[in-house]
Amino acid sequence: NAGVTQTPKFQVLKTGQSMTLQCAQDMNHEYMSWYRQDPGMGLRLIHYSVGAGITDQGEVPNGYNVSRSTTEDFPLRLLSAAPSQTSVYFCASSYGRAGAGSPLHFGNGTRLTVT
Amino acid sequence: DAKTTQPTSMDCAEGRAANLPCNHSTISGNEYVYWYRQIHSQGPQYIIHGLKNNETNEMASLIITEDRKSSTLILPHATLRDTAVYYCIVSPNNAGNMLTFGGGTRLMVKP
Repeated sequence: NAGVTQTPKFQVLKTGQSMTLQCAQDMNHEYMSWYRQDPGMGLRLIHYSVGAGITDQGEVPNGYNVSRSTTEDFPLRLLSAAPSQTSVYFCASSYGRAGAGSPLHFGNGTRLTVT
Repeated sequence: DAKTTQPTSMDCAEGRAANLPCNHSTISGNEYVYWYRQIHSQGPQYIIHGLKNNETNEMASLIITEDRKSSTLILPHATLRDTAVYYCIVSPNNAGNMLTFGGGTRLMVKP
């Protein structure tokens, strides 16, 4: 059971380039979300999805797009990379809402550097 | 959402029990207490959660006081691999399922 798998693990981009961070889970979880973690700081929610075909914005959505065509996959697209997007990106999934007692499971992150 | 207060850092001897406290004095009756840890910038790892009763799993035990205003995470036999930042989080009621990770407790397990 792989859990939440994120690829790539490391990425370096030049300003203005675009790319897609991949996230896949094999636990049949309905909820998926993307967080970013800057050095010495907590996690901030970028986008989330409560099921296939349904996505919504989180706390810091600007500069990122998401789609959820299947239950398993939730890719995060950077449209035009900026140095301010240098961060560690974590994907998470859960069976239900954490408010209802369903814990989040996280991937191991993608470390992105934008020069 | 209820806020949590944790000590900034703690030390524990290898093989001894690590007891990590958390204060959540404004918790509501339907809010869960979750514990996660983050080892050296890996993804946060779920440890355990509870609502009212004490809970135990293969990783740890969670003791919640009767008034639910505080809890303690217990790692029964700490190892060097348990060195990490431990986060106590009260469950969110927002639609985004967003957890708010505060500063956490940096646990150092020493030989």
